[in-house]
Amino acid sequence: RKEVEQDPGPFNVPEGATVAFNCTYSNSASQSFFWYRQDCRKEPKLLMSVYSSGNEDGRFTAQLNRASQYISLLIRDSKLSDSATYLCVVNGGAGGATNKLIFGTGTLLAVQP
Amino acid sequence: GAGVSQSPSNKVTEKGKDVELRCDPISGHTALYWYRQSLGQGLEFLIYFQGNSAPDKSGLPSDRFSAERTGGSVSTLTIQRTQQEDSAVYLCASSLAGSAGGFFGPGTRLTVL
Repeated sequence: RKEVEQDPGPFNVPEGATVAFNCTYSNSASQSFFWYRQDCRKEPKLLMSVYSSGNEDGRFTAQLNRASQYISLLIRDSKLSDSATYLCVVNGGAGGATNKLIFGTGTLLAVQP
Repeated sequence: GAGVSQSPSNKVTEKGKDVELRCDPISGHTALYWYRQSLGQGLEFLIYFQGNSAPDKSGLPSDRFSAERTGGSVSTLTIQRTQQEDSAVYLCASSLAGSAGGFFGPGTRLTVL
């Protein structure tokens, strides 16, 4: 089983739609969770951290379910500029050199006009 | 600038040659990562440095790959006797700690002819 699993997509949605991505992780000791965005031929950029209580940043809402070991990202009122690959990221959780960031393979979102 | 920088931005080399890729992390960041990404693929973890801990080298694909981090700052990734399958974008990221979100440099695009 992969440490971080995501549906690769692509998700093709019309402008204005609401779209949700899910991600599961295997290490119950993981403590930190993030969503990154990667545009074509660019480096990944940190989109938002994910907290146990859930957090919102404008049109973006991230949630964490520790019991089920999954993370979600909800995008409301999607824009053409939201088209990108969204990467789910989890830290290793064991401290020291094992406490590294582990990336999912990403979910491709294409917002259509 | 205050971000992660990498050099060179592009490197074309002949099969069998050695290459060195450099990463300058954000000042004060104790964690440093190397990943590589082939066209259309996800991020492949290579190596992780965290403070004075022994690095996590579990992602290095062969003994032709090595990395150093001098003085807890600049890191160099060395690939010896390059092969065509080494062609990829090599991305460096740094973070305040292993549990924190990482910030990526723009990458080095390596092409082995």
